[in-house]
Amino acid sequence: QQQVKQSPQSLIVQKGGISIINCAYENTAFDYFPWYQQFPGKGPALLIAIRPDVSEKKEGRFTISFNKSAKQFSLHIMDSQPGDSATYFCAASRRWGGSEKLVFGKGTKLTVNP
Amino acid sequence: DVKVTQSSRYLVKRTGEKVFLECVQDMDHENMFWYRQDPGLGLRLIYFSYDVKMKEKGDIPEGYSVSREKKERFSLILESASTNQTSMYLCASNTRGGWGDTQYFGPGTRLTVL
Repeated sequence: QQQVKQSPQSLIVQKGGISIINCAYENTAFDYFPWYQQFPGKGPALLIAIRPDVSEKKEGRFTISFNKSAKQFSLHIMDSQPGDSATYFCAASRRWGGSEKLVFGKGTKLTVNP
Repeated sequence: DVKVTQSSRYLVKRTGEKVFLECVQDMDHENMFWYRQDPGLGLRLIYFSYDVKMKEKGDIPEGYSVSREKKERFSLILESASTNQTSMYLCASNTRGGWGDTQYFGPGTRLTVL
């Protein structure tokens, strides 16, 4: 079964610190790796995504680092803020039947203390 | 703005009842998805549809069925609700084809089966 393993399950960081969430995948056919952010009472929303032909993508304080040989990717949140407190899901997708099915990690609940 | 709406935010049903969860998207997306979200298990795909009247099983289809009679509407049906179907249900949609098409999620329906 396709799997994406995410760690840690929960993370507490002080304001201004760096939050790091890691994911590992098994299927080398995956060709798209997004991160979704979910606030309480809301559906997940795309935060940032990367393709396997680049090793890093940065958008503001959010960076994805990608290691193709190790089949791992991670989300770094620089200068973490209390407003970043949310659940983060990594995901991966592959072509199947003309659509893209996302396989999600189990999520990381991030708490940023003021 | 893309909008995915779900018919109910909260729903309480009794064991054995037939339950309908409705999802509507306003962006003319071809693909629509139903997930369930449980603590510690992340998002798991129940069913998805890549066209009107087309459907494919996801990872956990048992106990569920779906209906897509119109492009903008995707319904999840619990034929005979059971307590182990108590969960948060999320609907999502995206366009078909291309790379990395963002999935847009609705706010979710929290279903409790007593």
